[in-house]
Amino acid sequence: NAGVTQTPKFRVLKTGQSMTLLCAQDMNHEYMYWYRQDPGMGLRLIHYSVGEGTTAKGEVPDGYNVSRLKKQNFLLGLESAAPSQTSVYFCASSALVLGETQYFGPGTRLLVL
Amino acid sequence: AQSVTQLDSQVPVFEEAPVELRCNYSSSVSVYLFWYVQYPNQGLQLLLKYLSGSTLVESINGFEAEFNKSQTSFHLRKPSVHISDTAEYFCAVRRKAAGNKLTFGGGTRVLVKP
Repeated sequence: NAGVTQTPKFRVLKTGQSMTLLCAQDMNHEYMYWYRQDPGMGLRLIHYSVGEGTTAKGEVPDGYNVSRLKKQNFLLGLESAAPSQTSVYFCASSALVLGETQYFGPGTRLLVL
Repeated sequence: AQSVTQLDSQVPVFEEAPVELRCNYSSSVSVYLFWYVQYPNQGLQLLLKYLSGSTLVESINGFEAEFNKSQTSFHLRKPSVHISDTAEYFCAVRRKAAGNKLTFGGGTRVLVKP
């Protein structure tokens, strides 16, 4: 039981390049989330999904797109990376129960030059 | 919308001393409350949570937090810290009635000194 895994662990992009971050969970959770973590700002929700084939915007969705084609996977895409997207990205998942714990992946550190 | 304020960005503390991390929230509706811990170079892990019932909740490693509805606070305490408690701690809230989205505070970095 690996929990929540993220790939890659670290990536350097040039401004304007695109990339996809992959999140996978093996806990059969309905909900999945993408956050970004910046110093002093805690974690901010980018997009989330309440089930396979559904996605919704969070607090800071601009510049990102997501897809949830399979229940266990949640992809975060950057179509044209900007230096402001330099951050640590965390994926999380949770069961369909009110108050349920969110389980986090180890994070992806992204540097946009 | 709700918001979470963690008043201290950094808290240095000596080993075996007590520590308190402050968390205040604002919300127009009832919320669930959480404390997460992030050890260096790792993801976040749940430390404890308040859903209902007793306002004092405890973790397995000696932390406790008390929900104070009148002061809209959920402060985290430990009577005696260890070096291994060095980490960043995040307070988070979630509205009871809608979805499962968390709103996080800015985090408090705890550095335990020998």
